[in-house]
Amino acid sequence: AQKVTQAQTEISVVEKEDVTLDCVYETRDTTYYLFWYKQPPSGELVFLIRRNSFDEQNEISGRYSWNFQKSTSSFNFTITASQVVDSAVYFCALRPSGTYKYIFGTGTRLKVLA
Amino acid sequence: DTGVSQDPRHKITKRGQNVTFRCDPISEHNRLYWYRQTLGQGPEFLTYFQNEAQLEKSRLLSDRFSAERPKGSFSTLEIQRTEQGDSAMYLCASSLDDTQYFGPGTRLTVL
Repeated sequence: AQKVTQAQTEISVVEKEDVTLDCVYETRDTTYYLFWYKQPPSGELVFLIRRNSFDEQNEISGRYSWNFQKSTSSFNFTITASQVVDSAVYFCALRPSGTYKYIFGTGTRLKVLA
Repeated sequence: DTGVSQDPRHKITKRGQNVTFRCDPISEHNRLYWYRQTLGQGPEFLTYFQNEAQLEKSRLLSDRFSAERPKGSFSTLEIQRTEQGDSAMYLCASSLDDTQYFGPGTRLTVL
């Protein structure tokens, strides 16, 4: 079965704190792609990152970083020095190779308080 | 280019009526996707087009749902004989590769 689990339903942090959003996936495919999307209060989903299953190198983009670990089937997302504008729902998604059926998790709502 | 647009933004209908939604993708994007999103859930894949060909369709999509993408440009999603369970946000996305650009969605309420 293909599945994405985001166990954290909602997280609240105070501005400038670091926060990690967890994502655990299930797939039997050896080739697959993982994604993170942000859905701000305005509603439109915004692409953040894509990672393929053969690239376990961690990635950093400004205050955002991603930790991909195949051994634990996890693709976690960390925001450093959070800001109020980071408040949104964040979704992790999986696309097995050979299909365009993207499988999204249920999302984690992040609230950053001033 | 202003991104992916969807029309209407909101639709209220009575149970049993047919509804049609339109999606205009980013002009050079050959891939187009439809998703359904309910409150507190992530987007749920419905169907995928590459140009005008509908290449994948979710098993969740019953016979009441149909989608088209004539000429590989805009797409329509039709729901026949709507049911209250169809109430949701219907999202469209387009892409050239794996970077999907989402539209604002059409919120459907079935009374």
